[in-house]
Amino acid sequence: LAKTTQPISMDSYEGQEVNITCSHNNIATNDYITWYQQFPSQGPRFIIQGYKTKVTNEVASLFIPADRKSSTLSLPRVSLSDTAVYYCLVGLSSGGGADGLTFGKGTHLIIQP
Amino acid sequence: DGGITQSPKYLFRKEGQNVTLSCEQNLNHDAMYWYRQDPGQGLRLIYYSQIVNDFQKGDIAEGYSVSREKKESFPLTVTSAQKNPTAFYLCASSNRGHSSYNEQFFGPGTRLTVL
Repeated sequence: LAKTTQPISMDSYEGQEVNITCSHNNIATNDYITWYQQFPSQGPRFIIQGYKTKVTNEVASLFIPADRKSSTLSLPRVSLSDTAVYYCLVGLSSGGGADGLTFGKGTHLIIQP
Repeated sequence: DGGITQSPKYLFRKEGQNVTLSCEQNLNHDAMYWYRQDPGQGLRLIYYSQIVNDFQKGDIAEGYSVSREKKESFPLTVTSAQKNPTAFYLCASSNRGHSSYNEQFFGPGTRLTVL
């Protein structure tokens, strides 16, 4: 099970681009990288998933270098409502195991006016 | 509307009592999960089920029990053996894939307080 390391907290301001990096040095060949967002007293919400290079959707981009030992979640032009905890997960949830189901403590992102 | 529901939202229990948390989904997902979250902490996996009538222990299964008699339902019982049951409990479901991570859909959570 690949372990992930991400900053405990980050601060930014409205309108800025925020990049949160996750380290996963022992990622396996079949592992995917997935990010979730969680607001207080709510369940996490899927943001984005990728395997290699770059993935972009309507809310974020995910950059994965060739060695896949890290990944960066990029949030463009953040607003106050982006204040939340962001979790990086690595692994699979298919098959017979619970790989990819370790959420860790996440990164608490605080956006200021 | 498709989704995953948990009830009740808030639950109070006296020490020494068992309590059952409900989780229902109408997303036709095969897999369901229970997590526990303590203040300022991440989610920890209690139990998961990949298919009806089968479930596996997660990282912190002691003091908990589950059943999976129907695809739509995955109730969690917090027994009196659980030493620190006060926490926020989250249920999730997902499809079963073969080669990729499948997005988990979470319910709104149940906040359990032991008095």
